[in-house]
Amino acid sequence: EIVLTQSPGTLSLSPGERATLSCRASQSVSSNYLAWYQQKPGQAPRLLIYGASNRATGIPDRFSGSGSGTDFTLTISRLEPEDFAVYYCQQYGDSPRFTFGPGTNVDIK
Amino acid sequence: QVQLVQSGAEVKKPGASMKISCKTSGYIFSDYYMHWVRQAPGQGLEWMGWINPNSGGTHYAQKFQGRVTVTRDTSISTVYMELTRLNSDDTAMYYCARLYNVGLVGALHYWGQGTLVTVSS
Repeated sequence: EIVLTQSPGTLSLSPGERATLSCRASQSVSSNYLAWYQQKPGQAPRLLIYGASNRATGIPDRFSGSGSGTDFTLTISRLEPEDFAVYYCQQYGDSPRFTFGPGTNVDIK
Repeated sequence: QVQLVQSGAEVKKPGASMKISCKTSGYIFSDYYMHWVRQAPGQGLEWMGWINPNSGGTHYAQKFQGRVTVTRDTSISTVYMELTRLNSDDTAMYYCARLYNVGLVGALHYWGQGTLVTVSS
């Protein structure tokens, strides 16, 4: 089973700043099948990025994903107030198994 | 538009079973795998398993094997998740989630609103 590790656990930033979130896999993720989700309190997760670097429908272009193999990054170029949330990575390349990372909490400094 | 509407909150006693539903609309039910994900209070997301609504085939996370069963009723475009032998660690919000694309492999694009299950004596 592929284990995902996310860092940092918490990221304290101000609106307008750049956020860089890391997701590391215990083994290579096949075909870069790595997704990123945003979750706000009391809400279901929202898909941001799939296939490591493809934005889902309606996702603003300040969100971008990159990486391959075992190291992946989600970048938010300029934080908006609505971007403060928890972010999870998920791999779906180890079919039929899916796994989530533990999450990174992006909070207001 | 795609909609996943889950059944309401439940309170269960330890040792009991739960069965929650996820009613879908707005797309061809049999074309898209459906997954179940849970989230304990204040914790992260935990993948539980999936069902192929076309064939009824399933796969579960090893942690839940023997306790979880996912089924579907194609006549009403609804997926069910049953979890047996409940304990307090099963207290969580349970989500159904549909893949972004047709096929086994894909990200989870559409999510139900969640069903809160509380296990307490």
